Amino acid sequence: TQLLEQSPQFLSIQEGENLTVYCNSSSVFSSLQWYRQEPGEGPVLLVTVVTGGEVKKLKRLTFQFGDARKDSSLHITAAQTGDTGLYLCAGVTGNQFYFGTGTSLTVIP
Amino acid sequence: GAGVSQSPSNKVTEKGKDVELRCDPISGHTALYWYRQSLGQGLEFLIYFQGNSAPDKSGLPSDRFSAERTGGSVSTLTIQRTQQEDSAVYLCASSFNRPTGELFFGEGSRLTVL
Repeated sequence: TQLLEQSPQFLSIQEGENLTVYCNSSSVFSSLQWYRQEPGEGPVLLVTVVTGGEVKKLKRLTFQFGDARKDSSLHITAAQTGDTGLYLCAGVTGNQFYFGTGTSLTVIP
Repeated sequence: GAGVSQSPSNKVTEKGKDVELRCDPISGHTALYWYRQSLGQGLEFLIYFQGNSAPDKSGLPSDRFSAERTGGSVSTLTIQRTQQEDSAVYLCASSFNRPTGELFFGEGSRLTVL
């Protein structure tokens, strides 16, 4: 079983602050995805990164895939209350998706 | 509907009873996945279907858990002789079978075993 560890597990910040969430593994993946989940709903895909060292930006969110394709980070600039949720990374190998332990983010107005 | 549909949304059962959870994937999606999520935690893989076959059952926690998929569409996850530790949200997802394919999730079935 490929294990992906996310840190921090819980994060509570003020609106307007910046934050970074990390996703680490000892396994190599063909791609890595980030999902966001809100209470009572299923996770929704934010981004897929494929190439080692790749950086993708989605408005205030910046995603990076490690050079060795084992780890990733998610950086949020000027957090908003709408960013509140559970952030999950998922390493993809073949047809299998291995999810991380999750980071619960609360943005306080 | 256009999305992944799961039923029931909530199930409360007594310890020792059997339960069935249903997943209706997006039409045309060949891959179907079951995950289990404890409160606010990450997703634990249970089983993966490609069409009607299950190439990977490695995540099923015990022989009390089984799943089937018929007609390349609807899937049922069955838990026999439920235990309190089975309490969780069971999530189903479907996907086109592509290397960087996106998982589309249902809203989950919340199971509470008393």
